[in-house]
Amino acid sequence: EAGVAQSPRYKIIEKRQSVAFWCNPISGHATLYWYQQILGQGPKLLIQFQNNGVVDDSQLPKDRFSAERLKGVDSTLKIQPAKLEDSAVYLCASSRPGLANKEGTQYFGPGTRLLVL
Amino acid sequence: AQSVAQPEDQVNVAEGNPLTVKCTYSVSGNPYLFWYVQYPNRGLQFLLKYITGDNLVKGSYGFEAEFNKSQTSFHLKKPSALVSDSALYFCAVRDINDYKLSFGAGTTVTVRA
Repeated sequence: EAGVAQSPRYKIIEKRQSVAFWCNPISGHATLYWYQQILGQGPKLLIQFQNNGVVDDSQLPKDRFSAERLKGVDSTLKIQPAKLEDSAVYLCASSRPGLANKEGTQYFGPGTRLLVL
Repeated sequence: AQSVAQPEDQVNVAEGNPLTVKCTYSVSGNPYLFWYVQYPNRGLQFLLKYITGDNLVKGSYGFEAEFNKSQTSFHLKKPSALVSDSALYFCAVRDINDYKLSFGAGTTVTVRA
């Protein structure tokens, strides 16, 4: 079974520029998550999708961050404009179908390391 | 609210010695508990989870964890550590009535040859 795919793996941009990250979850996983991992900290949930609907985006800085999952499979996370403090690793994860599967294990992709200069 | 504490930033052990990584949690209801490992420039890899049943959970690569409800702990253990176990370990918790997974800050494990 293929794992969660993410691209690009690394990105360097200047502040105020825009950037987009792509995620392809494990086949059949209906739930998709985007996390931000700042150096020295554990991952922090930004947004959670169930199919193509948003379940939780309470910690997404909506003035600059946006995410979509149009067909219930792939997802993109965008930052516009980027700030220095957005430098972090952005992790995508997915879990098996259905919110009813509350114990569902999340499987993570390799992440995208973003550096904002 | 839910939270996880990993009281040790770093754990250093010699190869062949037992390894323990500590984790305590706080949830309002009953917990689901997870351990993940992160190697440099890699994503998080799932090691094991506690959902219900036996308090001792066995996972990948010879790791196990013991759920202790009275002490609200879920410590990760390995009887004989390998140099290849050197990595960053994260404990995570979710309340069974919530879908949000909360992570600890992580513990860096170094196993010396």
